[in-house]
Amino acid sequence: DTGVSQDPRHKITKRGQNVTFRCDPISEHNRLYWYRQTLGQGPEFLTYFQNEAQLEKSRLLSDRFSAERPKGSFSTLEIQRTEQGDSAMYLCASSPGTEEETQYFGPGTRLLVL
Amino acid sequence: SQQGEEDPQALSIQEGENATMNCSYKTSINNLQWYRQNSGRGLVHLILIRSNEREKHSGRLRVTLDTSKKSSSLLITASRAADTASYFCATDSWGKLQFGAGTQVVVTP
Repeated sequence: DTGVSQDPRHKITKRGQNVTFRCDPISEHNRLYWYRQTLGQGPEFLTYFQNEAQLEKSRLLSDRFSAERPKGSFSTLEIQRTEQGDSAMYLCASSPGTEEETQYFGPGTRLLVL
Repeated sequence: SQQGEEDPQALSIQEGENATMNCSYKTSINNLQWYRQNSGRGLVHLILIRSNEREKHSGRLRVTLDTSKKSSSLLITASRAADTASYFCATDSWGKLQFGAGTQVVVTP
């Protein structure tokens, strides 16, 4: 399967702990996106990369959140000092970054902060 | 903030019936996309319609776009139980997707 993959699929952590999620985009997709989705809502944009450059960050992305895409391939999203309000599904998507704008989503990482 | 708003919030129909859901948005767009999400899973892309297009078909799906009214509709014809899911519209403004809260569709056999 050459779709977008995310790891882990589920994460339970205690408040105050740090967590890191990984996203592997579709091969040769230049753009990679992170979204967050809470229950009953649509996904909300967090940030996106064009190759290794982080081009935009949402105001939702507080200082406790950091995302990287060091070699322009996989990306990591780290949340420091987690809070209960961080509990959500974190979705990653990728797109070719050409004229085709369709974004292809991974299965998501569901985070529960106790 | 969420740009799109879907209507209705929930829809319950029987197999074989058509399902129509609407999406309204606020700002100018490059394109509008519809996604499906099965319970607790990732989003599956259904169809993309560009701002200069008015109607598009894909299998049992028909999407319309009215940029003057800033609205779009998704029609699923001859629904099946497997169409049970949440459907989201998303507007694309320079690569960033903004989603609505979705329409939850239940198709009963």
